[in-house]
This record gives sequence, structure tokens and C-alpha cells, in this order.
Amino acid sequence: DAKTTQPNSMESNEEEPVHLPCNHSTISGTDYIHWYRQLPSQGPEYVIHGLTSNVNNRMASLAIAEDRKSSTLILHRATLRDAAVYYCILRDLGPSNTGKLIFGQGTTLQVKP
Amino acid sequence: DGGITQSPKYLFRKEGQNVTLSCEQNLNHDAMYWYRQDPGQGLRLIYYSQIVNDFQKGDIAEGYSVSREKKESFPLTVTSAQKNPTAFYLCASSMYPMNTEAFFGQGTRLTVV
Repeated sequence: DAKTTQPNSMESNEEEPVHLPCNHSTISGTDYIHWYRQLPSQGPEYVIHGLTSNVNNRMASLAIAEDRKSSTLILHRATLRDAAVYYCILRDLGPSNTGKLIFGQGTTLQVKP
Repeated sequence: DGGITQSPKYLFRKEGQNVTLSCEQNLNHDAMYWYRQDPGQGLRLIYYSQIVNDFQKGDIAEGYSVSREKKESFPLTVTSAQKNPTAFYLCASSMYPMNTEAFFGQGTRLTVV
């Protein structure tokens, strides 16, 4: 299973943009990049996913490098409710097609008022 | 409302007893997953199932067992063979083999005394 590397923690000020980086240098052509976030004592919540092109939804944007070896989750205006652990995950949908989500340690985002 | 439900939220058991955690979904999802999370750590995959009557071991299956007799249900049994069962257990489901988001339950916190 391909692995991802994220910083352990990041800080942001409220109402400022946040860029959460993720490295995935061993990504294969059939791996999709997924992002989830988790609040304490809750299940993870889906944020966004993509394959090659940049993606936008109501929660965030996902910028994917041209060589796909890294990606960045962008929260356009951080709020206090965005404080969580953010997980960057590669989802295998290739020939083996297990669809597994393999979690790393994630990035703990603190948002200061 | 469609969703994925785990019960109970908190569970206490004596050492040496087997215990079964419930996971039910009404999203008509094919794939279901069980994860374990220890304090300050990411999620680790225990078992997953892509279709009824079939399931595969994840990274930490020892001491656990599952069944998938119905599409909606994927119960996890923590057996007495699991040496360190106290943890937060999360169940997830998703469409398979489509690349869509996974939905997580709110988790069961198991404490073995």
C-alpha cells in the first residue's frame, strides 16, 4: 500500500486560508487521493478526493501536483470548527481493487481566534 | 435518514470475555470496513468486506473476527485472544468498486478491565 507523509501539526488564524500539504511519492496510477478530517471522539468525515485534476467542493479545494507525488488541501477561510486532525489517504482502485483506505498519522490543525 | 450506525457508544467488558460490536448501514453500500484507533494515533484496518459472505483481513486482524451475512450488517467480535482490546473502534462503508467517499460511524469505545 502506498504511503503518505504529512506534518504532525499546523496552526492557522481564523478567517485565513490554510494549506495542508501531503507527500505521496510512491503513488500508483490507480490511487485516488482522499482527504478526511476527524474531531475528537468522532468518526472521520469525508472532505474531498481527486485523481489528477484539481478539485473544488463546498468544504475545500484539492491541488494535485502534476507528477501526483504531492497534494495540498486548501481551506479558503479557516473557522474554529475546522480545528481537527486531517488525514491524507491513497485509495487503491487498481486491478487488486480493494478500495481500502489506509490512514497515516494525519495533521492536527489548530485554529486561533 | 441514511447513514451508518454503531452501537453501543461505550462498552465495558471483563478481561477474557468475547464482545461483539455492531455496525449497520442503510446506504446500500457494498463495502464495509472496521478500524481500530488508539489514543493519539491514526486508524488501523482490522477487516474489510467488499461483498456479502466475503471478507478479508486488514493489517491487524489477529484476535478479531467478523461476519457479513447481510449487506447492511458487519459485526466485529473482539475475542479473548486480542491482547490489548481497549480502543476506539470505527466502522465505515462505501460503494464498491466505485471511487466514492466512505462514510464512518460514530465509533464504539471499548474498555476491557
